[in-house]
Amino acid sequence: NAGVTQTPKFQVLKTGQSMTLQCAQDMNHNSMYWYRQDPGMGLRLIYYSASEGTTDKGEVPNGYNVSRLNKREFSLRLESAAPSQTSVYFCASSQDGNYGYTFGSGTRLTVV
Amino acid sequence: AQSVTQPDIHITVSEGASLELRCNYSYGATPYLFWYVQSPGQGLQLLLKYFSGDTLVQGIKGFEAEFKRSQSSFNLRKPSVHWSDAAEYFCAVGSAGAGGYNKLIFGAGTRLAVHP
Repeated sequence: NAGVTQTPKFQVLKTGQSMTLQCAQDMNHNSMYWYRQDPGMGLRLIYYSASEGTTDKGEVPNGYNVSRLNKREFSLRLESAAPSQTSVYFCASSQDGNYGYTFGSGTRLTVV
Repeated sequence: AQSVTQPDIHITVSEGASLELRCNYSYGATPYLFWYVQSPGQGLQLLLKYFSGDTLVQGIKGFEAEFKRSQSSFNLRKPSVHWSDAAEYFCAVGSAGAGGYNKLIFGAGTRLAVHP
């Protein structure tokens, strides 16, 4: 019963490099989300996917793109990483946002 | 716009003492309210949630929270804190999106330290 799995757990990038954060859930949830967590700012929504085939911007989408590959997988891409994107990234899923989320264990990203 | 405020950034309590973590929200309709806990290096775990009905809700690990509409608050309480409760706690409100879909808006968090 894995829940939400994120890879990688840690990553160091140089400014300008690109990378994709992977997220997969095995709970047959319709909705998936990407948040970033920064000290003193809580979690801020980057993008979300209410259902397979749809994606929408959240609070802080600039510099990111997402793909809802299928019902299980929702990836987050940084095309040209910047130091301001140094953060901990969390993926989450829910059957319906009203019923709370299940979170992955996070990806700690450092951009130097 | 919807928002969540957690006024206390850090709280320190002694083991065995009671705990109350404050949460105030701004939301135009009846809110869906949540408390999550994050242990160091971990993801967030749902403690409890309020949708409607009884304003006092019970959660896991002995936590409870009370919804007070008149005060726009949803404070988290525990009668007796254990050292293992040291963590960061996040309050969240469900925000209606397109087509009635809800996504969560989180407060900035309260970090709890427990003294032996």
